[in-house]
Amino acid sequence: DQQVKQNSPSLSVQEGRISILNCDYTNSMFDYFLWYKKYPAEGPTFLISISSIKDKNEDGRFTVFLNKSAKHLSLHIVPSQPGDSAVYFCAASADFGNEKLTFGTGTRLTIIP
Amino acid sequence: NAGVTQTPKFQVLKTGQSMTLQCAQDMNHEYMSWYRQDPGMGLRLIHYSVGAGITDQGEVPNGYNVSRSTTEDFPLRLLSAAPSQTSVYFCASSYFSAGNEQFFGPGTRLTVL
Repeated sequence: DQQVKQNSPSLSVQEGRISILNCDYTNSMFDYFLWYKKYPAEGPTFLISISSIKDKNEDGRFTVFLNKSAKHLSLHIVPSQPGDSAVYFCAASADFGNEKLTFGTGTRLTIIP
Repeated sequence: NAGVTQTPKFQVLKTGQSMTLQCAQDMNHEYMSWYRQDPGMGLRLIHYSVGAGITDQGEVPNGYNVSRSTTEDFPLRLLSAAPSQTSVYFCASSYFSAGNEQFFGPGTRLTVL
């Protein structure tokens, strides 16, 4: 039972355009969400997070949007750069202090120069 | 400051063999965790620890043991390796919870024949 779903296994975007990565969740107990980025042969690295008390969080070129009623979040990258080519994982937790994190299956983003 | 280190990088085992995957962090983090990454499955939590002497099971704990005798080290033991345990294993640490930014090691690629 996949509680965090990333339905697009891959996405290709032209350099300079906006990349939008989507994530859906089914567990209504989740209220803290994170995005991790992973390059080949490396461990994931933290990108950005959002609490359910907010519907948007920005960090430079990265913005995460949360729609609690739809149980949906998205990561926007603008403008997209070649170094953004990586696998992006959405993850969810019952709260910030929770001991368990549930990851999605990942979306491979390719930025086309 | 080495961050999170994992050894070995690669390992091939025969079915039934046992081994220990090593993980160490030098950031004085209380929370440590082990994940496995399989194609199409994302990262799944195996075991985690919220401090020295305290461990608990994650989503897929069967076939694995952990212990946490020091803050720095969190080894993962495979008791009797099975082909289903062929995977890439990541260790991670954070200040106190899964919702904190977790720092991941580079991973161990394990093949069980």
